Amino acid sequence: AQSVTQPDIHITVSEGASLELRCNYSYGATPYLFWYVQSPGQGLQLLLKYFSGDTLVQGIKGFEAEFKRSQSSFNLRKPSVHWSDAAEYFCAVGPTSGGSYIPTFGRGTSLIVHP
Amino acid sequence: DAGVTQSPTHLIKTRGQQVTLRCSPKSGHDTVSWYQQALGQGPQFIFQYYEEEERQRGNFPDRFSGHQFPNYSSELNVNALLLGDSALYLCASSPPLGSPLHFGNGTRLTVT
Repeated sequence: AQSVTQPDIHITVSEGASLELRCNYSYGATPYLFWYVQSPGQGLQLLLKYFSGDTLVQGIKGFEAEFKRSQSSFNLRKPSVHWSDAAEYFCAVGPTSGGSYIPTFGRGTSLIVHP
Repeated sequence: DAGVTQSPTHLIKTRGQQVTLRCSPKSGHDTVSWYQQALGQGPQFIFQYYEEEERQRGNFPDRFSGHQFPNYSSELNVNALLLGDSALYLCASSPPLGSPLHFGNGTRLTVT
Protein backbone atom coordinates (compact mmCIF):
# COMPACT_ATOMS: atom_id res chain seq x y z
CA ALA A 1 0.00 0.00 0.00
CA GLN A 2 1.15 3.50 -0.70
CA SER A 3 2.05 5.95 2.05
CA VAL A 4 3.44 9.44 2.46
CA THR A 5 5.64 10.78 5.24
CA GLN A 6 5.99 14.46 5.96
CA PRO A 7 8.56 14.48 8.75
CA ASP A 8 8.09 18.10 9.80
CA ILE A 9 4.85 18.95 11.60
CA HIS A 10 5.71 22.66 11.79
CA ILE A 11 8.19 24.80 9.87
CA THR A 12 8.89 28.41 10.79
CA VAL A 13 10.61 30.77 8.35
CA SER A 14 11.11 34.51 8.06
CA GLU A 15 9.44 36.38 5.25
CA GLY A 16 11.82 36.52 2.27
CA ALA A 17 13.72 33.40 3.32
CA SER A 18 13.83 30.24 1.24
CA LEU A 19 11.66 27.25 2.04
CA GLU A 20 11.89 23.49 1.65
CA LEU A 21 9.18 21.12 2.83
CA ARG A 22 10.10 17.45 2.90
CA CYS A 23 8.04 14.57 1.55
CA ASN A 24 8.93 10.89 1.33
CA TYR A 25 6.66 8.32 -0.24
CA SER A 26 6.27 4.59 -0.48
CA TYR A 27 4.72 3.25 -3.65
CA GLY A 28 5.19 0.07 -5.63
CA ALA A 29 5.32 1.59 -9.08
CA THR A 30 6.10 4.89 -10.72
CA PRO A 31 4.23 7.34 -8.53
CA TYR A 32 1.97 10.20 -9.32
CA LEU A 33 2.89 12.93 -6.82
CA PHE A 34 1.10 16.07 -5.73
CA TRP A 35 1.47 19.02 -3.40
CA TYR A 36 -1.66 20.73 -2.08
CA VAL A 37 -2.05 23.79 0.15
CA GLN A 38 -4.85 24.40 2.63
CA SER A 39 -5.55 27.79 4.18
CA PRO A 40 -7.59 27.93 7.40
CA GLY A 41 -11.24 27.09 6.79
CA GLN A 42 -10.61 26.26 3.17
CA GLY A 43 -10.36 23.17 1.02
CA LEU A 44 -7.20 21.95 -0.65
CA GLN A 45 -5.71 23.76 -3.63
CA LEU A 46 -3.34 21.98 -6.01
CA LEU A 47 0.11 23.60 -6.13
CA LEU A 48 1.80 21.22 -8.55
CA LYS A 49 1.89 17.64 -9.76
CA TYR A 50 4.37 15.13 -11.13
CA PHE A 51 3.26 12.41 -13.52
CA SER A 52 6.34 11.73 -15.62
CA GLY A 53 9.14 13.45 -17.53
CA ASP A 54 11.16 16.33 -16.13
CA THR A 55 11.82 15.67 -12.46
CA LEU A 56 11.74 19.38 -11.58
CA VAL A 57 8.15 20.54 -11.59
CA GLN A 58 6.98 24.14 -11.53
CA GLY A 59 3.74 25.05 -9.83
CA ILE A 60 1.62 28.02 -8.94
CA LYS A 61 2.57 30.82 -6.54
CA GLY A 62 6.29 30.39 -7.28
CA PHE A 63 6.56 26.87 -5.87
CA GLU A 64 8.57 24.03 -7.37
CA ALA A 65 9.24 20.42 -6.41
CA GLU A 66 11.84 17.88 -7.40
CA PHE A 67 11.17 14.17 -7.79
CA LYS A 68 14.11 12.02 -6.70
CA ARG A 69 13.39 8.36 -7.33
CA SER A 70 16.55 7.15 -5.58
CA GLN A 71 15.48 8.90 -2.37
CA SER A 72 11.72 8.34 -2.76
CA SER A 73 11.30 12.05 -2.17
CA PHE A 74 9.29 14.91 -3.62
CA ASN A 75 10.35 18.01 -1.70
CA LEU A 76 8.62 21.34 -2.17
CA ARG A 77 10.68 24.52 -2.47
CA LYS A 78 10.21 28.24 -2.78
CA PRO A 79 13.09 30.73 -3.06
CA SER A 80 11.43 33.58 -1.17
CA VAL A 81 8.48 33.09 1.16
CA HIS A 82 5.67 35.64 1.48
CA TRP A 83 3.50 36.10 4.56
CA SER A 84 0.51 34.87 2.55
CA ASP A 85 2.21 31.47 2.15
CA ALA A 86 1.40 30.63 5.78
CA ALA A 87 -0.85 27.57 5.52
CA GLU A 88 -0.93 23.78 5.79
CA TYR A 89 0.89 21.89 3.04
CA PHE A 90 0.07 18.33 2.06
CA CYS A 91 2.07 15.95 -0.07
CA ALA A 92 0.16 13.13 -1.75
CA VAL A 93 0.91 10.04 -3.81
CA GLY A 94 -1.78 8.58 -6.02
CA PRO A 95 -2.68 5.40 -7.72
CA THR A 96 -5.27 5.59 -10.43
CA SER A 97 -8.52 3.71 -10.73
CA GLY A 98 -9.95 3.62 -14.20
CA GLY A 99 -8.12 6.83 -15.00
CA SER A 100 -9.21 8.74 -11.91
CA TYR A 101 -6.73 9.68 -9.25
CA ILE A 102 -7.24 8.70 -5.61
CA PRO A 103 -4.30 10.23 -3.76
CA THR A 104 -3.08 9.20 -0.34
CA PHE A 105 -2.11 12.22 1.74
CA GLY A 106 0.56 12.84 4.31
CA ARG A 107 -0.36 14.36 7.65
CA GLY A 108 0.73 17.80 6.51
CA THR A 109 3.30 20.44 7.43
CA SER A 110 2.16 23.70 8.98
CA LEU A 111 4.13 26.68 7.62
CA ILE A 112 4.50 29.67 9.91
CA VAL A 113 5.92 32.86 8.41
CA HIS A 114 7.50 35.51 10.64
CA PRO A 115 7.59 39.13 9.42
CA ASP B 1 -17.44 28.89 -13.33
CA ALA B 2 -18.36 27.57 -9.88
CA GLY B 3 -15.94 25.17 -8.34
CA VAL B 4 -16.84 22.31 -6.03
CA THR B 5 -19.57 23.40 -3.62
CA GLN B 6 -20.46 21.67 -0.37
CA SER B 7 -23.34 22.10 2.04
CA PRO B 8 -23.77 22.76 4.85
CA THR B 9 -20.54 24.45 5.91
CA HIS B 10 -20.97 23.52 9.58
CA LEU B 11 -23.09 20.93 11.33
CA ILE B 12 -23.53 19.84 14.94
CA LYS B 13 -25.04 16.43 15.69
CA THR B 14 -25.49 14.18 18.70
CA ARG B 15 -24.03 10.70 19.08
CA GLY B 16 -26.24 8.07 17.46
CA GLN B 17 -27.81 10.48 14.98
CA GLN B 18 -27.53 10.32 11.22
CA VAL B 19 -26.16 13.03 8.91
CA THR B 20 -26.21 13.79 5.18
CA LEU B 21 -23.62 15.99 3.52
CA ARG B 22 -23.99 17.28 -0.03
CA CYS B 23 -21.58 18.08 -2.84
CA SER B 24 -21.91 19.60 -6.29
CA PRO B 25 -18.92 18.94 -8.52
CA LYS B 26 -17.13 21.45 -10.67
CA SER B 27 -18.72 21.93 -14.08
CA GLY B 28 -17.52 19.28 -16.53
CA HIS B 29 -16.51 16.84 -13.79
CA ASP B 30 -18.20 13.46 -13.51
CA THR B 31 -16.30 11.81 -10.65
CA VAL B 32 -16.75 12.64 -6.99
CA SER B 33 -14.52 11.57 -4.10
CA TRP B 34 -15.08 12.04 -0.39
CA TYR B 35 -12.37 12.48 2.23
CA GLN B 36 -12.42 12.78 6.02
CA GLN B 37 -9.90 15.14 7.61
CA ALA B 38 -9.55 14.89 11.37
CA LEU B 39 -7.96 17.78 13.25
CA GLY B 40 -4.22 17.91 12.65
CA GLN B 41 -4.30 15.09 10.11
CA GLY B 42 -4.24 14.71 6.37
CA PRO B 43 -7.38 13.80 4.43
CA GLN B 44 -8.35 10.12 4.50
CA PHE B 45 -10.11 8.61 1.47
CA ILE B 46 -13.66 7.42 2.13
CA PHE B 47 -14.98 6.49 -1.33
CA GLN B 48 -15.28 7.58 -4.93
CA TYR B 49 -18.36 7.68 -7.14
CA TYR B 50 -18.49 7.48 -10.91
CA GLU B 51 -21.52 6.86 -13.12
CA GLU B 52 -23.69 6.68 -9.99
CA GLU B 53 -21.72 3.71 -8.67
CA GLU B 54 -19.20 3.42 -5.87
CA ARG B 55 -15.98 2.76 -7.76
CA GLN B 56 -13.53 2.47 -4.90
CA ARG B 57 -13.72 2.56 -1.13
CA GLY B 58 -11.23 3.32 1.60
CA ASN B 59 -11.01 1.77 5.05
CA PHE B 60 -14.25 3.12 6.50
CA PRO B 61 -17.11 1.16 8.10
CA ASP B 62 -20.45 0.56 6.44
CA ARG B 63 -21.91 3.39 8.54
CA PHE B 64 -20.47 5.59 5.82
CA SER B 65 -22.46 5.40 2.61
CA GLY B 66 -22.91 7.57 -0.41
CA HIS B 67 -24.85 8.27 -3.51
CA GLN B 68 -24.28 9.98 -6.82
CA PHE B 69 -27.11 11.48 -8.82
CA PRO B 70 -27.51 11.70 -12.62
CA ASN B 71 -26.35 15.34 -12.52
CA TYR B 72 -23.09 14.07 -10.87
CA SER B 73 -23.82 15.66 -7.50
CA SER B 74 -23.24 13.45 -4.50
CA GLU B 75 -24.24 12.82 -0.92
CA LEU B 76 -22.32 11.34 1.97
CA ASN B 77 -24.39 9.68 4.70
CA VAL B 78 -23.10 8.69 8.10
CA ASN B 79 -25.28 6.61 10.43
CA ALA B 80 -24.99 6.04 14.17
CA LEU B 81 -22.61 8.94 14.64
CA LEU B 82 -19.68 8.54 17.01
CA LEU B 83 -17.64 11.25 18.68
CA GLY B 84 -14.73 10.15 16.49
CA ASP B 85 -16.66 11.10 13.38
CA SER B 86 -16.07 14.75 14.19
CA ALA B 87 -13.97 16.06 11.32
CA LEU B 88 -13.85 18.17 8.20
CA TYR B 89 -15.46 16.27 5.33
CA LEU B 90 -14.05 17.19 1.95
CA CYS B 91 -15.59 16.53 -1.41
CA ALA B 92 -13.41 16.51 -4.51
CA SER B 93 -14.31 16.18 -8.16
CA SER B 94 -12.39 15.31 -11.29
CA PRO B 95 -13.18 15.22 -15.00
CA PRO B 96 -13.34 12.24 -17.35
CA LEU B 97 -10.02 10.49 -18.06
CA GLY B 98 -8.60 11.62 -14.77
CA SER B 99 -6.96 14.73 -13.47
CA PRO B 100 -5.86 15.97 -10.10
CA LEU B 101 -8.75 16.41 -7.73
CA HIS B 102 -10.47 19.76 -7.22
CA PHE B 103 -11.60 20.17 -3.62
CA GLY B 104 -14.49 22.01 -2.04
CA ASN B 105 -14.14 23.96 1.19
CA GLY B 106 -15.58 21.12 3.23
CA THR B 107 -18.27 20.55 5.83
CA ARG B 108 -17.19 20.78 9.45
CA LEU B 109 -19.08 18.09 11.41
CA THR B 110 -19.08 18.18 15.20
CA VAL B 111 -20.55 15.23 17.10
CA THR B 112 -21.39 15.87 20.76
